[in-house]
Amino acid sequence: QVQLGQSGAQVKKPGSSVKVSCVTSGDTFNNYGFAWVRQAPGHGLEYMGGIIPIFPLTNYAQKFQDRVRITADESSTTVYMELSTLTSEDTAIYYCARAQWGSRRIGDIAGLHYFDSWGQGTLVSVSS
Amino acid sequence: DIQLTQSPSSLSASVGDRVTIACRASQIINSSLNWYQHKRGKVPKLLIHDASSLETGVPLRFSGSGSGTDFNLTINTLQPDDFATYYCQQGYSSPPETVTFGGGTQVQI
Repeated sequence: QVQLGQSGAQVKKPGSSVKVSCVTSGDTFNNYGFAWVRQAPGHGLEYMGGIIPIFPLTNYAQKFQDRVRITADESSTTVYMELSTLTSEDTAIYYCARAQWGSRRIGDIAGLHYFDSWGQGTLVSVSS
Repeated sequence: DIQLTQSPSSLSASVGDRVTIACRASQIINSSLNWYQHKRGKVPKLLIHDASSLETGVPLRFSGSGSGTDFNLTINTLQPDDFATYYCQQGYSSPPETVTFGGGTQVQI
């Protein structure tokens, strides 16, 4: 059973930043990609961005392009997601997910395909 | 980015029913369409990848079909454990474009 262990819940002030971690095993870290997906109250699943650590290659959803940063640390086999300039609309559960990756078409940059294992989720609350 | 439109957004069903959820992509994505089940307070679960491949351990009453732009998730003989929200997700895009999720379909009693 793949284990993705996320850091605990956080409460943040508007305008601040949050950093969430996702620990995995070495085998998983070197062979898969990772995505960050969030669910705000009353909303559906929303893809924020992803990383393929072996390159490394990152890719962000346009909505978050200017204020999200996803990194990976090989020494600790941990993936991080940092979101800046928080507002109340960023209150959500943030999930990391293991991703199958590859190129669908010849010449394409590798992308994430689907998410077959998920972390337990991290609640981030933004409130003044 | 590729947009995914799910229909219906919610449906009411009974145990034993056959349920079909549709997902339409804004452009051709071949078979790069995946389905997830998400229950309140739980972690999302991959059901089907690449349009019709059943993930290991997922009950056989779940099936996926379609290619191109139109896809379906079918649940045969609905069980009490199946009441949840279902999402489609496309994995066709390559950077700088990204994967996207559909808006979800809530299956309720």
